Amino acid sequence: DVKVTQSSRYLVKRTGEKVFLECVQDMDHENMFWYRQDPGLGLRLIYFSYDVKMKEKGDIPEGYSVSREKKERFSLILESASTNQTSMYLCASSLGLNHEAFFGQGTRLTVV
Amino acid sequence: DQQVKQNSPSLSVQEGRISILNCDYTNSMFDYFLWYKKYPAEGPTFLISISSIKDKNEDGRFTVFLNKSAKHLSLHIVPSQPGDSAVYFCAASGNTGNQFYFGTGTSLTVIP
Repeated sequence: DVKVTQSSRYLVKRTGEKVFLECVQDMDHENMFWYRQDPGLGLRLIYFSYDVKMKEKGDIPEGYSVSREKKERFSLILESASTNQTSMYLCASSLGLNHEAFFGQGTRLTVV
Repeated sequence: DQQVKQNSPSLSVQEGRISILNCDYTNSMFDYFLWYKKYPAEGPTFLISISSIKDKNEDGRFTVFLNKSAKHLSLHIVPSQPGDSAVYFCAASGNTGNQFYFGTGTSLTVIP
C-alpha cells in the first residue's frame, strides 16, 4: 500500500525557532511537494522537488527552505518560525503531474 | 490569482440523495483534473481523476464530469452517505508548471 509519512502529527514551537518537518515516501516517486492548508485558502504550494537535490519554489516560499538529499525524503525547514506560519502542513508525492498525488497525514504546527 | 475555484464553501445533502460539487478553472493549459476528500486533522485522500481527452469518468458512487469549453468540472456522489461528510478539493495540472493547483474546498455534510 502506498505510503507517505510525516514525522509529526502535532508540533508546538516558539517564535524564532528553527523547525524541521520531515516527509518520507515508499513509492519511489520522483516528485515531492510541500503544501500548507489554511481555512478559506485551500492548499498552497510552498516548494516542489522533481529529483534528488532539485527544488523549485511554489507560490509561497518566503520563510521556508527545503532539502532533498535522498529520493524518498523531503524536508521542509522554517528558518525562523513566526506566528503566521501556524498552519496544517501537507507533504505529497507523485509519479508525475498526470498521476495522482498521495498525501501524508499532515502536521499541525502551532507557533507561539 | 486563484486558477482553480470552488465557489461553494459548503453543501448539505440528505442521505441517499445526489451530491454535486462544482469546480471552475481559468487556465486552458490544464489537462488533468483530480478530486480529493479530506477529513479534519488528516491528509487529503485521492478520489477520482479525469484527463482532458475524456468528459466523464466513473468509479462506483463517484462520477466526475468535465466540460472543457466551460472550463468546469463537477463531482457527483450517488447515493450520498453520512461517511461522505468531509471537505472536497478539486485540483488541476498540465503544461503550466510543476505543480497541482488546488481549489479552496467545499465542505459537504450528508444528513442522516
